[in-house]
Amino acid sequence: SQQGEEDPQALSIQEGENATMNCSYKTSINNLQWYRQNSGRGLVHLILIRSNEREKHSGRLRVTLDTSKKSSSLLITASRAADTASYFCATEAGGTSYGKLTFGQGTILTVHP
Amino acid sequence: DVKVTQSSRYLVKRTGEKVFLECVQDMDHENMFWYRQDPGLGLRLIYFSYDVKMKEKGDIPEGYSVSREKKERFSLILESASTNQTSMYLCASSNPRTGGQETQYFGPGTRLLVL
Repeated sequence: SQQGEEDPQALSIQEGENATMNCSYKTSINNLQWYRQNSGRGLVHLILIRSNEREKHSGRLRVTLDTSKKSSSLLITASRAADTASYFCATEAGGTSYGKLTFGQGTILTVHP
Repeated sequence: DVKVTQSSRYLVKRTGEKVFLECVQDMDHENMFWYRQDPGLGLRLIYFSYDVKMKEKGDIPEGYSVSREKKERFSLILESASTNQTSMYLCASSNPRTGGQETQYFGPGTRLLVL
């Protein structure tokens, strides 16, 4: 079952602008992760936020998590053309999961130079 | 760096053929996963394995089987390929960490076309 719902489905911005993507989920989680996928390639892990964390930063990335609303957002600041990719949120369910993740449908980000 | 490789980047098969997709990881990871990715549907888990010879069904196992005879290798098998199995197939691996918090490492994907 698809737990993650992402919004928007597509986002088009100019270089230098900030990009914000949102993710909602349905059940309790151990953590929420964001991945990036360049066209036609495999996914690359960007950042993980635990269920007891509210905000996390990594370089130009900022992730927030609101467990009461079951939602997360990924902010990419000062975007670059090289940030053009699809971005997926993924949740690891609470309990024993063997690291199994449930992915959202993704947001396609296009950054125009 | 963790490396996850998949046997083919592109594959064309005919309806009814038996198809093998191979995945190998070089970091001694215990967990391995097979997903398929379709436009508008994101990634959907087909099967996963948490140990040699162990396998668990994911969300869409119908029409697929898997094999894990060695720790580093996880194979996805389409017993009788059908056109609705045309898709991008992604393999991933991860290692258990205390308290969870595993991240997955992905292969480059195999784009399968079934005619």
